[in-house]
Amino acid sequence: DTEVTQTPKHLVMGMTNKKSLKCEQHMGHRAMYWYKQKAKKPPELMFVYSYEKLSINESVPSRFSPECPNSSLLNLHLHALQPEDSALYLCASSQTLLGTDTQYFGPGTRLTVL
Amino acid sequence: AQSVTQLDSHVSVSEGTPVLLRCNYSSSYSPSLFWYVQHPNKGLQLLLKYTSAATLVKGINGFEAEFKKSETSFHLTKPSAHMSDAAEYFCVVSPPSNTGKLIFGQGTTLQVKP
Repeated sequence: DTEVTQTPKHLVMGMTNKKSLKCEQHMGHRAMYWYKQKAKKPPELMFVYSYEKLSINESVPSRFSPECPNSSLLNLHLHALQPEDSALYLCASSQTLLGTDTQYFGPGTRLTVL
Repeated sequence: AQSVTQLDSHVSVSEGTPVLLRCNYSSSYSPSLFWYVQHPNKGLQLLLKYTSAATLVKGINGFEAEFKKSETSFHLTKPSAHMSDAAEYFCVVSPPSNTGKLIFGQGTTLQVKP
């Protein structure tokens, strides 16, 4: 099974709201990722977790706050977002951070910020 | 420095005809190479990967790609296009590092006409 699940599928929020995106995998992977994807563009890496520790933060604004409560779960907490943050947010996981390891992607959460 | 170039932003074929999506890469070392497909409003699905084993890689749904080091290419082919192949395709380079960072091409939109 190579499934990564994400909830919710769609999210509409105002600029003053606080919401969270959730990602889960049960493949025993120890690396997990958050990506942001705008229309007609490739995904952009936001955060990387390895063994539940934050490994990479690609200079993402602090209104995005990641959390990795355990090896199967990855959350992305959202607060005071801007309309330009509207995008498809993808979660991915891989066995490790090695370049030969395949990243498996979830279906994404479509976020709209009003 | 690593980079990847998808030579066509848009490819249109008729159903039942061959598909060729072109990808060139630049890498100082031997990278791992991937092709992913993304259907509208979906996550990325792995089609195939190359990790320095056989140069001709077979993937899912009848797709295959050939790694040509001398030409620094990793083109994706399929003998006969199906309507369900219409999607966005990303060629991805994964450097031999332990960061988990992927380098995405800009994507190729495949249109399949009946």
